[in-house]
Amino acid sequence: GAVVSQHPSRVICKSGTSVKIECRSLDFQATTMFWYRQFPKKSLMLMATSNEGSKATYEQGVEKDKFLINHASLTLSTLTVTSAHPEDSSFYICSALDTWNTEAFFGQGTRLTVV
Amino acid sequence: GQQLNQSPQSMFIQEGEDVSMNCTSSSIFNTWLWYKQDPGEGPVLLIALYKAGELTSNGRLTAQFGITRKDSFLNISASIPSDVGIYFCAGRHGSSNTGKLIFGQGTTLQV
Repeated sequence: GAVVSQHPSRVICKSGTSVKIECRSLDFQATTMFWYRQFPKKSLMLMATSNEGSKATYEQGVEKDKFLINHASLTLSTLTVTSAHPEDSSFYICSALDTWNTEAFFGQGTRLTVV
Repeated sequence: GQQLNQSPQSMFIQEGEDVSMNCTSSSIFNTWLWYKQDPGEGPVLLIALYKAGELTSNGRLTAQFGITRKDSFLNISASIPSDVGIYFCAGRHGSSNTGKLIFGQGTTLQV
C-alpha cells in the first residue's frame, strides 16, 4: 500500500507553546488528508478534513483557531496545535487519500505531551 | 460525533482459536472497512467492503458487509500471537471514497 509518514512521532512541549505536526504522502499525491485525535484506549475521532489549496473543514466542536491545518501541496499537510495546554495531550493521526481512489492510508501517529 | 457500535470491547483467547467481532449502525453505510492498530502506531487497513452481502477474505481474516448495510463482521481464524492489537471497524455513508470515515470503539484482542 501507499506510505504516509508523520513527523514527529513523539513530542513534548511546554504549556503555551505551539507544536507543528507534519503528514506526508511519500509515494503518491493526496488532494485530501484527514486529521484524527485518539485518546488512550479510545477510538479515532475525526478533527478535520484537509483539502489541498483550500481551507480545511473542521468537525463540530473542534476549534479551528486552536488546531491550524495547512495543506499547501499535494504531498504535505500540517497540523499546528497553538498555545498548547495539558488537555491537548493526545495521539494525533493523519490519513491521506491516494490519487488512484483506493482507501485512505494512515500515518504512524504523533504522541503529543504538553507539560 | 457519531460512532459505530462495535463488540466485543475486548477479548482474551487461546492461540489457535477463531475470533469474531462485529459492528452495527442505526444508519446505512455504503462502505465498511476493518483496520488493525498496534500500540503507538496508526491503523492499517485489513479489508474493505463495498457491496451489501460482500464476503471478502485476506489470509486468515474474513469480513462481510451485511445485507441491511447496517452491520459488518470480521472473523479471524486460528489466531496467533501477532494478531494482538486493537481492531476497528469504520463506515462511510457516501458513495465516493473521499467521504469521511466513522469509526467503531474498537475491539482489543489479547491472545
